[in-house]
Amino acid sequence: AQSVAQPEDQVNVAEGNPLTVKCTYSVSGNPYLFWYVQYPNRGLQFLLKYITGDNLVKGSYGFEAEFNKSQTSFHLKKPSALVSDSALYFCAVRLLTHDMRFGAGTRLTVKP
Amino acid sequence: GAVVSQHPSRVICKSGTSVKIECRSLDFQATTMFWYRQFPKQSLMLMATSNEGSKATYEQGVEKDKFLINHASLTLSTLTVTSAHPEDSSFYICSARDHGWSGNTNQPQHFGDGTRLSIL
Repeated sequence: AQSVAQPEDQVNVAEGNPLTVKCTYSVSGNPYLFWYVQYPNRGLQFLLKYITGDNLVKGSYGFEAEFNKSQTSFHLKKPSALVSDSALYFCAVRLLTHDMRFGAGTRLTVKP
Repeated sequence: GAVVSQHPSRVICKSGTSVKIECRSLDFQATTMFWYRQFPKQSLMLMATSNEGSKATYEQGVEKDKFLINHASLTLSTLTVTSAHPEDSSFYICSARDHGWSGNTNQPQHFGDGTRLSIL
């Protein structure tokens, strides 16, 4: 089955430090991978996607993600975290039916 | 950018009431919209796929008669929770994908801000 996993429920980083939110995937065929962010009582906001091409994908708000086929990973990264980055982050895979399967989510807390 | 509007943002009502939630794509046409349910501190679970002009496709375990979906136009899908009970209390989120003129299926889904439903 097509799925993604986020092994960390919670990630804490200090403001200004680099952050990584992990995601691994289990997909047959070429994966269509996405990262979304959710703020309290809000829907999801698109950050970035990987379809084909360069393994390093740049997205919104300074985020980027690296597609690693050998490790079946698609970790979200940012060189310098901001307090305002604190939110819930979801990794997702698009299925052939075009709906999405989401990971369990990782709560990122950036402390001043 | 593409915007999806979801209304209402919050509903509090008595048990037995039917509640309708609207999902509109504001600046693009969406032949397909998706309805998700999110429990506290959990991920989104797909409930159904709404197709314009045809019947919705429901995920296993989702009651069709409980969660009525109508997608009458390319910009509007509605989810009606019929005879809602406390166990239906949840955060419901819709999403839509902009195919664009080329029918490009690689566009990301755009999400509404969600509806928090509380049944007393």
